[in-house]
Amino acid sequence: NAGVMQNPRHLVRRRGQEARLRCSPMKGHSHVYWYRQLPEEGLKFMVYLQKENIIDESGMPKERFSAEFPKEGPSILRIQQVVRGDSAAYFCASSPPGDVGYNEQFFGPGTRLTVL
Amino acid sequence: QKEVEQDPGPLSVPEGAIVSLNCTYSNSAFQYFMWYRQYSRKGPELLMYTYSSGNKEDGRFTAQVDKSSKYISLFIRDSQPSDSATYLCAMGSAGKLIFGQGTTLQVKP
Repeated sequence: NAGVMQNPRHLVRRRGQEARLRCSPMKGHSHVYWYRQLPEEGLKFMVYLQKENIIDESGMPKERFSAEFPKEGPSILRIQQVVRGDSAAYFCASSPPGDVGYNEQFFGPGTRLTVL
Repeated sequence: QKEVEQDPGPLSVPEGAIVSLNCTYSNSAFQYFMWYRQYSRKGPELLMYTYSSGNKEDGRFTAQVDKSSKYISLFIRDSQPSDSATYLCAMGSAGKLIFGQGTTLQVKP
């Protein structure tokens, strides 16, 4: 059973470009979460999605960032007009369907975004 | 005050030692508690998951939760050099997880 898959693993963008990060959850999982890990900082929650729904986006910056989890295909985290401060490791996690009160989250390998 | 506090270390122990890692938290709404292990430049790996006060054991790992004191611990018995990594506590109540800073552990052969 394949784990959470993320691509690309490394992404380099110049300031002002767009970055698209993809996440395929574990088989059978219908909940997806995105986290960001800045250098020397801990993991910070960004957004929680279920198929075609954003459940909690309280950790998403108000501008330039968006996320989706369509009915078909991977979840996408999109960063428009990237700035150097967006350079970080972005991790996706997934959990099985069910009560959010029971919520084991399994993480992918991450996408390391570098903004030049 | 951070919602979750974790001593970043680093913590260095000899092989075979018992390691104790700890986190404190302030939000009494947290319902479930996890420990992750993260190797350098890798994704976090789920080690332990608990949702009630008490102990949970899995091999060399024991997770302990004390909700009354808002304190959780991870014990590693017979530590090995391969246990050298950063250990992250995490907790949540409705989807999102709040992580501690992480404790860097080095087990010396």
